[in-house]
Amino acid sequence: ETGVTQTPRHLVMGMTNKKSLKCEQHLGHNAMYWYKQSAKKPLELMFVYNFKEQTENNSVPSRFSPECPNSSHLFLHLHTLQPEDSALYLCASSQAVEGEAFFGQGTRLTVV
Amino acid sequence: AQKVTQAQTEISVVEKEDVTLDCVYETRDTTYYLFWYKQPPSGELVFLIRRNSFDEQNEISGRYSWNFQKSTSSFNFTITASQVVDSAVYFCALSADKLIFGTGTRLQVFP
Repeated sequence: ETGVTQTPRHLVMGMTNKKSLKCEQHLGHNAMYWYKQSAKKPLELMFVYNFKEQTENNSVPSRFSPECPNSSHLFLHLHTLQPEDSALYLCASSQAVEGEAFFGQGTRLTVV
Repeated sequence: AQKVTQAQTEISVVEKEDVTLDCVYETRDTTYYLFWYKQPPSGELVFLIRRNSFDEQNEISGRYSWNFQKSTSSFNFTITASQVVDSAVYFCALSADKLIFGTGTRLQVFP
């Protein structure tokens, strides 16, 4: 058990579809994150939630919409995505925002 | 502003060689944390180590060792007697108010 579970592992969606990525952590952490990892680009921090409140939105386009209903769950709602949004989306959690983050295995997203 | 630089994009070594992965960071904060993560082909980032800015003591864990030097803003990672299973992308990260990553170094260890 990894402690941070992401579903689905793989997702192919059309540009007009709406889908959601789910992240769940069983570590009792208070902070959760979404990162985007594209080929040949650094890990990009997208959103940070601390105690269910969004504390960071790193200039992410509105076609990505996060939701944190409780400190154990984090969603990333996707709609009208572009092919350049194809990437590995990683969820992470940490006890505090400055602490070590534990990552899920990621969702490999392909937009066609 | 925070920044992490990993100048080595890819390193190839033969098994049993020692290899050092470089990491240079920038921050104006006096309190911060530094991390190393490993990303094997499966994709999941695996946490390796955390150091806080007040603790410059070097650390050794098995074949892994870390050299933290505030004077040069560096946090280098050495793998001794490398093995094929060490092949992965290694990320250095910095956290002051948020966790940011370097671009990673791909290490390939050949038998």
